[in-house]
Amino acid sequence: GAGVSQSPSNKVTEKGKDVELRCDPISGHTALYWYRQSLGQGLEFLIYFQGNSAPDKSGLPSDRFSAERTGGSVSTLTIQRTQQEDSAVYLCASSRDYNEKLFFGSGTQLSVL
Amino acid sequence: DQQVKQNSPSLSVQEGRISILNCDYTNSMFDYFLWYKKYPAEGPTFLISISSIKDKNEDGRFTVFLNKSAKHLSLHIVPSQPGDSAVYFCAASGDSNYQLIWGAGTKLIIKP
Repeated sequence: GAGVSQSPSNKVTEKGKDVELRCDPISGHTALYWYRQSLGQGLEFLIYFQGNSAPDKSGLPSDRFSAERTGGSVSTLTIQRTQQEDSAVYLCASSRDYNEKLFFGSGTQLSVL
Repeated sequence: DQQVKQNSPSLSVQEGRISILNCDYTNSMFDYFLWYKKYPAEGPTFLISISSIKDKNEDGRFTVFLNKSAKHLSLHIVPSQPGDSAVYFCAASGDSNYQLIWGAGTKLIIKP
């Protein structure tokens, strides 16, 4: 596709379960970002991938959060043992390089009951 | 602490008039500023940016003004159109794009 694709668009889960969120960046984009937006807040940086370099994980809020990017393309964000405070919209973005404008997916609305 | 603040959660403007969205920041090391626009159920889309070496950048109906001494920037939309109704986010960075710091957004409503 032409844009950044995220799946699922909505996810409802029970507290304590694990969830996986997927992001397909724009083809050829070397940089990929995950952000989180909680209600009434700005976007919160989670993790950044650039090419084959080690990712910048400095924004991950706890060790329950992890992400990987396979083959420099698709990325999955995994949240283990979900908590209610994890409820938010999780946004993925990609760019051609680290200093170029970001293209966002539509996000995954995660609701933890 | 919020390094980028958008103090107005919402703003209502008559169609055809000027919309002015404001953003304040606290970190004097920020040197690159961006505005993104977000429609419901969609991701944010890039609108306009400005580097700290400039005090104004214009793109069609959209102009961003930067006042470094006041650590303030504003987005002007003129004339405002119904399609401009969206949430507008201000973001800032130091030396690398991936460390963008975002404001909480301002919901702009254009009244017909």
